[in-house]
Amino acid sequence: DQQVKQNSPSLSVQEGRISILNCDYTNSMFDYFLWYKKYPAEGPTFLISISSIKDKNEDGRFTVFLNKSAKHLSLHIVPSQPGDSAVYFCAVNYGGSQGNLIFGKGTKLSVKP
Amino acid sequence: DSGVTQTPKHLITATGQRVTLRCSPRSGDLSVYWYQQSLDQGLQFLIQYYNGEERAKGNILERFSAQQFPDLHSELNLSSLELGDSALYFCASSLSARDRDADTQYFGPGTRLTVL
Repeated sequence: DQQVKQNSPSLSVQEGRISILNCDYTNSMFDYFLWYKKYPAEGPTFLISISSIKDKNEDGRFTVFLNKSAKHLSLHIVPSQPGDSAVYFCAVNYGGSQGNLIFGKGTKLSVKP
Repeated sequence: DSGVTQTPKHLITATGQRVTLRCSPRSGDLSVYWYQQSLDQGLQFLIQYYNGEERAKGNILERFSAQQFPDLHSELNLSSLELGDSALYFCASSLSARDRDADTQYFGPGTRLTVL
């Protein structure tokens, strides 16, 4: 059973508008959350992260929100640019000494000019 | 450029064969992780090494093995290859598995394995 779910396989947004990508997780033990961006034929690129002691983290145009009670994570991109078009993966870390990540299946974002 | 290098970029081989994928982590990173991305499964964690020692195992088949050498580079060995092993294999590295602030993993460009 999937522990990390990205229920929207794709999202299309107009340039300049806000893109909101969503992620749900099942295990309240997860304590570190990340977003990665992936272009075709490249490895995932780290975008932004948040620990479970926070509910918001901002880096330029990217903001991640964490709602622990709902076990929900979202990534906001404002304003969206055509270069943001990529597959976005939500990933969570289990906590403790093991560092492996559990990934969602990704959301393909298309930003139209 | 993440600083993580992987070779080869592409690999085409036949069923039953054995291959070795190589990964060099970012300078200073002690942990290396291997992930498999197949078409329908997304990114799946295989195995993690920290400073030469195995730290965690995920969905890694018995036909697969890995090691991390004293210079911290890592190799993933895949043997008795099957058609279903065709996938992208990514290596990632991070400074430490224990330091929470350093848990961000940086990924290499991947090796695309095709088994015919």
